[in-house]
Amino acid sequence: NAGVTQTPKFRVLKTGQSMTLLCAQDMNHEYMYWYRQDPGMGLRLIHYSVGEGTTAKGEVPDGYNVSRLKKQNFLLGLESAAPSQTSVYFCASTFLQGGFYEQYFGPGTRLTVT
Amino acid sequence: SQELEQSPQSLIVQEGKNLTINCTSSKTLYGLYWYKQKYGEGLIFLMMLQKGGEEKSHEKITAKLDEKKQQSSLHITASQPSHAGIYLCGAGFSGSYKYIFGTGTRLKVLA
Repeated sequence: NAGVTQTPKFRVLKTGQSMTLLCAQDMNHEYMYWYRQDPGMGLRLIHYSVGEGTTAKGEVPDGYNVSRLKKQNFLLGLESAAPSQTSVYFCASTFLQGGFYEQYFGPGTRLTVT
Repeated sequence: SQELEQSPQSLIVQEGKNLTINCTSSKTLYGLYWYKQKYGEGLIFLMMLQKGGEEKSHEKITAKLDEKKQQSSLHITASQPSHAGIYLCGAGFSGSYKYIFGTGTRLKVLA
């Protein structure tokens, strides 16, 4: 099992450009999350999904969109990148709630917006 | 809003010393994680606690969740340079799909 994978690992964008970050998991997890990590801010939840075809906003959703067309994939889109979106992005997944399970994290995507 | 306060924000210790990192919530936690992150890398799962009063250990790291399930501590015994990194606590709350993370504690261990 590959676990949680993220592509790309690094990306540099110019202000106004768009891109999509892909998260894939092969553990049949229901829940998937996108976080951003900034110095001194810890991990902040951008969007999350509790199942295929469903998404919801987290703490910092502005400027981002997501889609969960397939259970194993969770896409994070930036339509018009801004320097404030320079960050490290982490995807995570976990089992269906009913218990408390470990969140499995991807390796991260380092995004720089100039 | 539900928040996790983590302290200290940074810590520098001499190799061999013990240390403790705390994670506090104003609300009762459904469960709590501890993760370690090496600088510039992903998150490594350390431990998960769910029961009040629970304590778990892995090698030289021990984590505890208090009886009220509002505070957790991570204790490292006889620290080594390999323990250096950022330690993050994360928590889930009953009735919520969301997980909240603390701001992290940067640990440096001097050889």
